[in-house]
Amino acid sequence: DSGVTQTPKHLITATGQRVTLRCSPRSGDLSVYWYQQSLDQGLQFLIQYYNGEERAKGNILERFSAQQFPDLHSELNLSSLELGDSALYFCASSSPGQGNTGELFFGEGSRLTVL
Amino acid sequence: AQKVTQAQTEISVVEKEDVTLDCVYETRDTTYYLFWYKQPPSGELVFLIRRNSFDEQNEISGRYSWNFQKSTSSFNFTITASQVVDSAVYFCALWGYRDDKIIFGKGTRLHILP
Repeated sequence: DSGVTQTPKHLITATGQRVTLRCSPRSGDLSVYWYQQSLDQGLQFLIQYYNGEERAKGNILERFSAQQFPDLHSELNLSSLELGDSALYFCASSSPGQGNTGELFFGEGSRLTVL
Repeated sequence: AQKVTQAQTEISVVEKEDVTLDCVYETRDTTYYLFWYKQPPSGELVFLIRRNSFDEQNEISGRYSWNFQKSTSSFNFTITASQVVDSAVYFCALWGYRDDKIIFGKGTRLHILP
């Protein structure tokens, strides 16, 4: 158990809909990362937050947005969903002293299926 | 821009054989870190190793070893005497100082056959 909690574990929805994925980092971790894992693209970096502020951005679509709240949990919002958004979405956190050079602790992922 | 290439999409070996997973990276930075992660069938990614760009020493941990060669921009991972429990997807990852992002390769799916 990495200590990172993601909900929901599974989600099935229809095209055009909007969903919210939630992540609670390990206790004491300030950084939260979001990754998308699909069969053909591997593990794609979406976005990183550090203590409530956006720190780095990857290939995140404009239809997607994220935020980190004062209690350090994070949410990833996916809107106007398309079939191609079906994927496993991972959240990870890292220790404050390690920054981005340290070990990432991953949650179990949220599997999104868009029909 | 940074890039990590894992050219081997899928590998199958018979148990007890040695197997090497290749990782080639690209970065403009002189300060960077390389990582390997394991994703077993259960799905959760697990950290295996971190290596910084100033330390080219190879590392061994039990049946696992890593060969870092800056001259060829490679950070290869070898499993000696493979076991069925080693079956997983293995990801190589890179952090570069200027980009300040951790990016992953597409992964290598390893099947260890009994």
